[in-house]
Amino acid sequence: QQQVKQSPQSLIVQKGGISIINCAYENTAFDYFPWYQQFPGKGPALLIAIRPDVSEKKEGRFTISFNKSAKQFSLHIMDSQPGDSATYFCAASLASGSARQLTFGSGTQLTVLP
Amino acid sequence: AAGVIQSPRHLIKEKRETATLKCYPIPRHDTVYWYQQGPGQDPQFLISFYEKMQSDKGSIPDRFSAQQFSDYHSELNMSSLELGDSALYFCASSLAGAEETQYFGPGTRLLVL
Repeated sequence: QQQVKQSPQSLIVQKGGISIINCAYENTAFDYFPWYQQFPGKGPALLIAIRPDVSEKKEGRFTISFNKSAKQFSLHIMDSQPGDSATYFCAASLASGSARQLTFGSGTQLTVLP
Repeated sequence: AAGVIQSPRHLIKEKRETATLKCYPIPRHDTVYWYQQGPGQDPQFLISFYEKMQSDKGSIPDRFSAQQFSDYHSELNMSSLELGDSALYFCASSLAGAEETQYFGPGTRLLVL
């Protein structure tokens, strides 16, 4: 059972457009929601993250919107660039002793056309 | 800045063989995580260690074992390899007090023939 559901599976956007990726979670104990960017053959890289007590967080062209009551969060990439073409994973975690395991969504393959 | 180092980067094994993957966390990071990513799949949490003690366990097969050493590097030992073990294996590390931020290594691509 996928605890974090992500959509769409793939996304094609024109250069300069807005890319929007959505995620929904089930476990209300999750208290940290990061987004990771992964290029082929590379490890996931932390892009931006948010806690549930905040409704929106912006870092440069990347914005996370968080809706706690709906248990949903989304990533918005403004002014999308070809270099943004990658796979994006949303994730959720909760404290478990001294470490936190990440539960990932299924990923979105983003292609930004030049 | 120093990143997470994993070795080897690529590994080819036969069925029923044994493999050992190594992870060197970012200096001063005391927590190590292992994830398995199948082709076209999301990373799945396997196991984590904090201060050389196992802290959490996910979907790690009984054929796999792992440990963290005194210098904080970690090794994932995989025995009786199966074709389905072919995947990318990522190690991530974090610092106590900032556990939310996990930094991933480049991964080890394991192919079981």
